[in-house]
Amino acid sequence: NAGVTQTPKFRVLKTGQSMTLLCAQDMNHEYMYWYRQDPGMGLRLIHYSVGEGTTAKGEVPDGYNVSRLKKQNFLLGLESAAPSQTSVYFCASRQQSSGNTIYFGEGSWLTVV
Amino acid sequence: AQSVAQPEDQVNVAEGNPLTVKCTYSVSGNPYLFWYVQYPNRGLQFLLKYITGDNLVKGSYGFEAEFNKSQTSFHLKKPSALVSDSALYFCAVREASTGGFKTIFGAGTRLFVKA
Repeated sequence: NAGVTQTPKFRVLKTGQSMTLLCAQDMNHEYMYWYRQDPGMGLRLIHYSVGEGTTAKGEVPDGYNVSRLKKQNFLLGLESAAPSQTSVYFCASRQQSSGNTIYFGEGSWLTVV
Repeated sequence: AQSVAQPEDQVNVAEGNPLTVKCTYSVSGNPYLFWYVQYPNRGLQFLLKYITGDNLVKGSYGFEAEFNKSQTSFHLKKPSALVSDSALYFCAVREASTGGFKTIFGAGTRLFVKA
């Protein structure tokens, strides 16, 4: 049971470099999310998608872009990485019905030096 | 706007004692409420949720939570704590409407159970 899979799991970037985090889910979920987790701040929503080809901004979208070209994939991009983007990133997904549970990936640890 | 508050950064309890992890929320309209647990270097795992019906919700690993609409609270409880319950716990809220796309999480409470 794969569920929600994130790649890469660990990455070190230099300031100004770009990278893409990939999220894939095999549960046929309509909604997908990217969160970042920082000490003392819990999980903050970066961007989300309610279906293929759609994306929307969350609480902390600046410095990130996303794309949902296929229903099963949700990509998070950093065009020019900054040290403030050092964090743990979690992808999540759920079915459309509003009471449904969110399922999380295992996380991607990103360090920007 | 939705928000969640977990007033305690850490909760310490002795093994075998009851535990409570507090959560209060703010949302326009009716809420859907969730508790998740996170073990070190892992993703969040679902524990339980309140959607509608009985205010006392039972979930995984012997945990339960009580929805209190007047106090806008959804505290997590367990009658007898285990050392293995030590982890980071997150409360979350989602607006119960057709536009309720976003789930907002609290800052988390670290539970430490001492043997």
